[in-house]
Amino acid sequence: GENVEQHPSTLSVQEGDSAVIKCTYSDSASNYFPWYKQELGKGPQLIIDIRSNVGEKKDQRIAVTLNKTAKHFSLHITETQPEDSAVYFCAASMGSNYQLIWGAGTKLIIKP
Amino acid sequence: ETGVTQSPTHLIKTRGQQVTLRCSSQSGHNTVSWYQQALGQGPQFIFQYYREEENGRGNFPPRFSGLQFPNYSSELNVNALELDDSALYLCASSRGGDDEQYFGPGTRLTVT
Repeated sequence: GENVEQHPSTLSVQEGDSAVIKCTYSDSASNYFPWYKQELGKGPQLIIDIRSNVGEKKDQRIAVTLNKTAKHFSLHITETQPEDSAVYFCAASMGSNYQLIWGAGTKLIIKP
Repeated sequence: ETGVTQSPTHLIKTRGQQVTLRCSSQSGHNTVSWYQQALGQGPQFIFQYYREEENGRGNFPPRFSGLQFPNYSSELNVNALELDDSALYLCASSRGGDDEQYFGPGTRLTVT
């Protein structure tokens, strides 16, 4: 079946440094790619998304890039802060109802 | 906060029992998607409801069923509970099947 692979599973960075999380997807028909942040005991929070007609999107310290040919997309967080510590999930849409296929998550640890 | 609410927050059931989980969508949203998230994993799509009709289903058995009401709130019903049904159940609302999905805090179901 269709799947999304996400790497790394854990990422530890120094406060102030940048963090990059990468995902690849298998369904060439996917055209919507959201990123979610999930804190302990909470539901996922949409932080940024990108559609297939765009190669890059930025929102303050967060950016997402998409390479449709290679079927991969990445999340970039600059100037990391302690509150960025959480589990981050990538997802790709599948089917006409845009059901989301999720990666396994990346635990981001910001070291002070 | 997204404006999507779920009840109850936590639930403990015995194997073989039935459970109903509830979700109130964000104002202006007519689509609700349900996901199951096992510990340490990404969410898995269960099904989606659009204007009171099922609009896509993931790889879950028929004992997982749902409803959507005229006010676009939704229920997830699970019959004949199994130990593996223990998970966080998330609902997400959106303005349509292809729009951004906003998640509630989830219902933690434990089956003993």
